[in-house]
Amino acid sequence: DSGVTQTPKHLITATGQRVTLRCSPRSGDLSVYWYQQSLDQGLQFLIQYYNGEERAKGNILERFSAQQFPDLHSELNLSSLELGDSALYFCASTEGSASHNEQFFGPGTRLTVL
Amino acid sequence: AQKVTQAQTEISVVEKEDVTLDCVYETRDTTYYLFWYKQPPSGELVFLIRRNSFDEQNEISGRYSWNFQKSTSSFNFTITASQVVDSAVYFCALSALGDYKLSFGAGTTVTVRA
Repeated sequence: DSGVTQTPKHLITATGQRVTLRCSPRSGDLSVYWYQQSLDQGLQFLIQYYNGEERAKGNILERFSAQQFPDLHSELNLSSLELGDSALYFCASTEGSASHNEQFFGPGTRLTVL
Repeated sequence: AQKVTQAQTEISVVEKEDVTLDCVYETRDTTYYLFWYKQPPSGELVFLIRRNSFDEQNEISGRYSWNFQKSTSSFNFTITASQVVDSAVYFCALSALGDYKLSFGAGTTVTVRA
């Protein structure tokens, strides 16, 4: 158990809908990273937050947004969902802001868009 | 830009055989970090090792060993005397100092047959 929690574990929804994925980092970790794992794109970095502030953006679509709250949990919002958004979404956390620290990954949220 | 190549898509072995996973990376940075993660069928990503670019010593942890060679930009991973529980997807990843993300390879699926 990495100490990172993600909810829900599975999510099934329809095209055009909006969903929110939630992540709680390990106790004491200030950085949260979001990654998307799909069959065609592999594991891709989406966005990073450090202590409530956005720190870096990767291949994140404009339909997607994220935030980190004062209690350090993070939410990833996906809107106007398309079939291609079906993927496993991981959250990871580290103590500091640098990605070269060991990143502890949560169990992931499997999103299925029908 | 960082790039990680795992040329082997799938490897299938019989239990007790050794298996070596190749990882070749590209980066212009002189300080960087290499990682291996394991993704078992249950889906979570499990950290295995982190290596910085200044430490070329090989490492052994139980049945796992890693061979880092800067001259060939490779960070290969060997599982000795494989077991069925080693069946998983293994990812090599790279992060440069000051970078905000892990860049993952495409992964190698290892299947160990009893």
